[in-house]
Amino acid sequence: AQTVTQSQPEMSVQEAETVTLSCTYDTSESDYYLFWYKQPPSRQMILVIRQEAYKQQNATENRFSVNFQKAAKSFSLKISDSQLGDAAMYFCAYNKKNRDDKIIFGKGTRLHILP
Amino acid sequence: NAGVTQTPKFRVLKTGQSMTLLCAQDMNHEYMYWYRQDPGMGLRLIHYSVGEGTTAKGEVPDGYNVSRLKKQNFLLGLESAAPSQTSVYFCASSYPAPWDTQYFGPGTRLTVL
Repeated sequence: AQTVTQSQPEMSVQEAETVTLSCTYDTSESDYYLFWYKQPPSRQMILVIRQEAYKQQNATENRFSVNFQKAAKSFSLKISDSQLGDAAMYFCAYNKKNRDDKIIFGKGTRLHILP
Repeated sequence: NAGVTQTPKFRVLKTGQSMTLLCAQDMNHEYMYWYRQDPGMGLRLIHYSVGEGTTAKGEVPDGYNVSRLKKQNFLLGLESAAPSQTSVYFCASSYPAPWDTQYFGPGTRLTVL
């Protein structure tokens, strides 16, 4: 069965610094999607970034980028120039490209931004 | 576009009471989901729907029922609430495929006494 592991329950970073959140997953599939979702204190979860497994190039969205290592089954999120608004719970998620399979979430990493 | 909305935002129930949570989306998405979020557990899928008139069980379906009579609405029912159902409930929809990006509602905090 597929699993998603976030080994860092909490992290802190100084404002304007860079932080990397770790995520590993277990799958025997070759075609799938990986996601990072952000859940701020307001609770509503939003997509930060996503990666399609067949694309070798790492996805980037402004200050957010991923380091996708397919062979190692690793999908880390790098946040550059951290801002106070980045404080949130971050969830890594995996979804196989199959109608019958459902998204699997990690347990989350709570990120604190220190002013 | 309101996106995904949930009603109500908060609710307190007594053990044994029933209630229905409403999820509505105005994005014409086929796929809709109900999750519960508990501390340290991440999100767990309760039920989902792949289209109007269809529903299916997720990871933790016991004690819940769902209906999707209209494409834009996905209802989650608790027939006889139990304290173990105290949680935050999230609805989500996805497009264009079930494995694609999910769009979440703001959540409903439910407390069962």
